[in-house]
Amino acid sequence: EPEVTQTPSHQVTQMGQEVILRCVPISNHLYFYWYRQILGQKVEFLVSFYNNEISEKSEIFDDQFSVERPDGSNFTLKIRSTKLEDSAMYFCASSEGQGIDGYTFGSGTRLTVV
Amino acid sequence: SQKIEQNSEALNIQEGKTATLTCNYTNYSPAYLQWYRQDPGRGPVFLLLIRENEKEKRKERLKVTFDTTLKQSLFHITASQPADSATYLCALPSGGSYIPTFGRGTSLIVHP
Repeated sequence: EPEVTQTPSHQVTQMGQEVILRCVPISNHLYFYWYRQILGQKVEFLVSFYNNEISEKSEIFDDQFSVERPDGSNFTLKIRSTKLEDSAMYFCASSEGQGIDGYTFGSGTRLTVV
Repeated sequence: SQKIEQNSEALNIQEGKTATLTCNYTNYSPAYLQWYRQDPGRGPVFLLLIRENEKEKRKERLKVTFDTTLKQSLFHITASQPADSATYLCALPSGGSYIPTFGRGTSLIVHP
């Protein structure tokens, strides 16, 4: 069964530092997403990416965040000047089409900002 | 935008019984609705899709219904097993986007 791979599984960073979360989507999928889940809360959409550009983003995805597909396999989320409230699980997901038939999520990166 | 409501209280049932989870939405009927399973510390796993013109969908022990009049979807697990214990999330598009918004999920605990 193909899967979405995320690294690292855990990341601890100091407030104000920059972090890069990495994802390898399923190889034949064309749409990529980042979601986050603060502990005990719901899964929240951050951004979608298609054809090498952002196709949609939420209010959460402000100038602090950026995404990139640096090569043919990786998809990254960069968070600049991290804040305590950025502590959350960050999930990458991919879909073959626009995702109506469901997204495949990775296992997530737990980000802790101290 | 759409408000999605799932019962925040955990559902406790005995093994072998049918679990029924509810997802209500408040505004316009979405083009589709999805159900996911999430285990602690893991990403959601897609289970079933139901489209607005479908009333019911089945997959093995799972059944989803979609009532656009009641603005509600029901998710059923028949012959439940302790391994079915997890949080179940519904997701549907809102605000004119095709991107699904997730509900908070309902925790299901199946007791042996």
